[in-house]
Amino acid sequence: GAVVSQHPSWVICKSGTSVKIECRSLDFQATTMFWYRQFPKQSLMLMATSNEGSKATYEQGVEKDKFLINHASLTLSTLTVTSAHPEDSSFYICSAPTGNYSPLHFGNGTRLTVT
Amino acid sequence: DAKTTQPNSMESNEEEPVHLPCNHSTISGTDYIHWYRQLPSQGPEYVIHGLTSNVNNRMASLAIAEDRKSSTLILHRATLRDAAVYYCILSTGANSKLTFGKGITLSVRP
Repeated sequence: GAVVSQHPSWVICKSGTSVKIECRSLDFQATTMFWYRQFPKQSLMLMATSNEGSKATYEQGVEKDKFLINHASLTLSTLTVTSAHPEDSSFYICSAPTGNYSPLHFGNGTRLTVT
Repeated sequence: DAKTTQPNSMESNEEEPVHLPCNHSTISGTDYIHWYRQLPSQGPEYVIHGLTSNVNNRMASLAIAEDRKSSTLILHRATLRDAAVYYCILSTGANSKLTFGKGITLSVRP
């Protein structure tokens, strides 16, 4: 079946630094990928839609200059958390559909801890 | 996206069937009913989806009410590995964007 790989699975960084998270579709091409964030004991919140070859679409309240998304190829989207602060500590999850009306395939998430 | 409502939690016994309900009274004609589940510290996993007819796959069955205002996810024989948060989500499917609610936490007793 379709696989979405996310890297790293966990990362600890110091406040003020930037962290890049990669999301790859391993056996299919993804023109669209979705980035979610999940705080402890809460549900997933959609942050942005990543579009291959064009700008990402951000959900209301998500700072596009803080959460930089790049979707340079049909199999890779990256999320960079810039100038990370402790409140950015969260579980970040990417996903991609294999087609227009297909289910989403999710990565295993990246646990970000900002100290 | 139209909203769904699910109980907060449910308990079941291992090897017994589990029926997880979902209400979606404001569903539109083009909304698909999706079910995903999330195990602790993992990304969500697709379970099943349907539009009007009941659906079966290797993981579960989806029973959709005739008026489509509710549906039930059926796990035929619960295992300990089925303990997870199950999300019932409506989506038109055109771009597969999904909005997650709180879901229902399923506990399975050995």
